[in-house]
Amino acid sequence: SAVISQKPSRDICQRGTSLTIQCQVDSQVTMMFWYRQQPGQSLTLIATANQGSEATYESGFVIDKFPISRPNLTFSTLTVSNMSPEDSSIYLCSVGAGQGGETQYFGPGTRLLVL
Amino acid sequence: AQTVTQSQPEMSVQEAETVTLSCTYDTSESDYYLFWYKQPPSRQMILVIRQEAYKQQNATENRFSVNFQKAAKSFSLKISDSQLGDAAMYFCAYYGQNFVFGPGTRLSVLP
Repeated sequence: SAVISQKPSRDICQRGTSLTIQCQVDSQVTMMFWYRQQPGQSLTLIATANQGSEATYESGFVIDKFPISRPNLTFSTLTVSNMSPEDSSIYLCSVGAGQGGETQYFGPGTRLLVL
Repeated sequence: AQTVTQSQPEMSVQEAETVTLSCTYDTSESDYYLFWYKQPPSRQMILVIRQEAYKQQNATENRFSVNFQKAAKSFSLKISDSQLGDAAMYFCAYYGQNFVFGPGTRLSVLP
């Protein structure tokens, strides 16, 4: 399994500002993902972070709101832009491991509160 | 589209006893993977166990085992000798073309 770290672990932000979350993996991985977990809810996939190309976003999520970078095979960032209280969530990055990337391992998450 | 259902929003078990968490899924794919993840209050998602659909043998990991019924599209998790540290949200997940999580079951362990 991969060791995944995220920064920051938590933050409190003002409405209208942006926050960039970093995800670092201890080994090279092909597949990296970003999820949102709203309070008391399950995980919702935001996008797949593709190395060297634009991220692939799920329905309901757009690049202007959640720009993602993936400069190499061990690092990715997710920015939550122009935040509103509805963006208050836990944001998790994960990596796909195993032969076909079928097993996901998760970072510790970033707890975001928007006032 | 694939869906994952966990019909028990909350469960409780006495310490040292056994509990079974239910999961059903819907898919038209024949080749896929199923997982159980645990999320304690620390919010770290931890892989508990995984099952390849092509394998008939049920996966086991120490005190954790699954009952995989492919025809019934059922994938339950059995926790034996429950410990206080098992208290967490448990998510059933499916991976075929996409990764899909169930809504979760909150497990309490009573001393």
